[in-house]
Amino acid sequence: AQSVTQPDIHITVSEGASLELRCNYSYGATPYLFWYVQSPGQGLQLLLKYFSGDTLVQGIKGFEAEFKRSQSSFNLRKPSVHWSDAAEYFCAVASGYNQGGKLIFGQGTELSVKP
Amino acid sequence: AAGVIQSPRHLIKEKRETATLKCYPIPRHDTVYWYQQGPGQDPQFLISFYEKMQSDKGSIPDRFSAQQFSDYHSELNMSSLELGDSALYFCAGRRQATDTQYFGPGTRLTVL
Repeated sequence: AQSVTQPDIHITVSEGASLELRCNYSYGATPYLFWYVQSPGQGLQLLLKYFSGDTLVQGIKGFEAEFKRSQSSFNLRKPSVHWSDAAEYFCAVASGYNQGGKLIFGQGTELSVKP
Repeated sequence: AAGVIQSPRHLIKEKRETATLKCYPIPRHDTVYWYQQGPGQDPQFLISFYEKMQSDKGSIPDRFSAQQFSDYHSELNMSSLELGDSALYFCAGRRQATDTQYFGPGTRLTVL
């Protein structure tokens, strides 16, 4: 069965510091991978996605993620965190779109940013 | 650009009452997904539709039903509400043959 694991429930970083949020997936075929961000009481905003090709993908707000098939990982990174990045981050994998394409989410990582 | 619209944004119901949540995807997005996010939880897939037909089903209680209409909007009907149904309900839309789901702001349902 497909699954997504985000090992870190909560991470605190200082403003200006670099960030890496971990995501591991379990999926039989080439996965469709996503990172979404959710601010308190808000909807889910797509940060970036990976389907194929270059394993380093760029997203909005200065985020990037690297797909590593050998490690079944899709970690999210940002070189310099801003206070406005404080939010909940969800990694997700989509089942094949010829199978409906539902998203399976990880448990989320809550990011706090210290001044 | 047009976004996904969900209504109402907030809903308060009593136990055993019914509720109807509505979702209006981005124009020409013909596939709709519903997700439920409990407090402190990740979103869980409930059900999806493509061209008015159910395309997939997840952990949706039998007390819930949903449908998609010819204009692609969708409604989630919830009956005999329980306290545990209190959650944030998201819908997402996708255009067939594309790969990204776009989420609405969610409906926060509180069952008292």
